Amino acid sequence: GDSVTQMEGPVTLSEEAFLTINCTYTATGYPSLFWYVQYPGEGLQLLLKATKADDKGSNKGFEATYRKETTSFHLEKGSVQVSDSAVYFCALSRNSGNTPLVFGKGTRLSVIA
Amino acid sequence: DTGVSQNPRHKITKRGQNVTFRCDPISEHNRLYWYRQTLGQGPEFLTYFQNEAQLEKSRLLSDRFSAERPKGSFSTLEIQRTEQGDSAMYLCASSETTGTDYGYTFGSGTRLTVV
Repeated sequence: GDSVTQMEGPVTLSEEAFLTINCTYTATGYPSLFWYVQYPGEGLQLLLKATKADDKGSNKGFEATYRKETTSFHLEKGSVQVSDSAVYFCALSRNSGNTPLVFGKGTRLSVIA
Repeated sequence: DTGVSQNPRHKITKRGQNVTFRCDPISEHNRLYWYRQTLGQGPEFLTYFQNEAQLEKSRLLSDRFSAERPKGSFSTLEIQRTEQGDSAMYLCASSETTGTDYGYTFGSGTRLTVV
């Protein structure tokens, strides 16, 4: 079945460091790919998405490119801030979306000043 | 619109008791999803509705679990004869099925503790 594997955390970075959180997927067909973020005490929020190969999703300085050849959707940010501390989830949706999401286990990021 | 609302926020129950959670989706969203999230894991899909029709149920949804969405508005998730393994965060999300800017909106969840 469909699955998502993301790097285990926790990840601890200093402010302004470069961030990469790896995500790879297994799916039939052409899934849509997502990154969700969960800030402490809050619900899941969509961070960015990509719906086809080579699409780049971006938001709030975060980026991820849909790489079909490597079945990957790695999350990157050039300069993290303390306010980016959260748990990040990679997810996929079969077909074009609006079908149930399959999530990775999440990666906790802590950014220290 | 205040987003997806879930009640209660927290529920502590004794093993063997029944519990019911409620989710109020964004009013114009016709799809509604239930997920379960345990500590250190990502959310796991339980079931989803389009309007009042339940379209899919996960194998995780045992016979003790039942979900309804009467009239295609709010939804309830009931767990009968709760077990300690049911302790988790239960998340609800809603989405549209038209347009290109789809995307789920999640509620803040109901945290269930079975003692």
